Amino acid sequence: KNEVEQSPQNLTAQEGEFITINCSYSVGISALHWLQQHPGGGIVSLFMLSSGKKKHGRLIATINIQEKHSSLHITASHPRDSAVYICAVGRGSQGNLIFGKGTKLSVKP
Amino acid sequence: EAGVVQSPRYKIIEKKQPVAFWCNPISGHNTLYWYRQNLGQGPELLIRYENEEAVDDSQLPKDRFSAERLKGVDSTLKIQPAELGDSAVYLCASSLDLMGQHEKLFFGSGTQLSVL
Repeated sequence: KNEVEQSPQNLTAQEGEFITINCSYSVGISALHWLQQHPGGGIVSLFMLSSGKKKHGRLIATINIQEKHSSLHITASHPRDSAVYICAVGRGSQGNLIFGKGTKLSVKP
Repeated sequence: EAGVVQSPRYKIIEKKQPVAFWCNPISGHNTLYWYRQNLGQGPELLIRYENEEAVDDSQLPKDRFSAERLKGVDSTLKIQPAELGDSAVYLCASSLDLMGQHEKLFFGSGTQLSVL
């Protein structure tokens, strides 16, 4: 079993829909990252959080440390949101991130 | 401010040939990472530098891969000789890590390697 699991693996939505991507992990962490990767492009860091909730524009990330679970929400989705969303967890002084396999999101107009 | 710069963007080589990738991290970032990403997978760490010291190279296939970060700034990753299975995207990332704690990662655009 992978230490970081994402669901769903693939997601297709209509423009305007509310989207949720989930991430569960099995190790102790110091922080959790949500990353966005467009086709052929580099990776952009969306959020880094260790508790609670963060919001940036139409994106919201939440984390529940007790349940070892995080969600990324996209409100009023748009075709330009189509990308792979990757969850990664950091373990503090160990220094390395553990990445999930990503969720491929496709938003149709 | 420039982000993490990688070159080349694409590289096509024949198997058994050598190849090198270059990374210029964000100015002032002390931590530099090289990742390999296969299609449909998340990135996998190859090596992590703190300044000029490689602090984690446990996942680096040392028989054919080598890396250096002279002066704790730019870094190069080399494969010699390349094998068909090395085809992947090689990503460089940097961060400013303080007191051993992770800070936000910044990624380059990656180098897409195709070994024929």
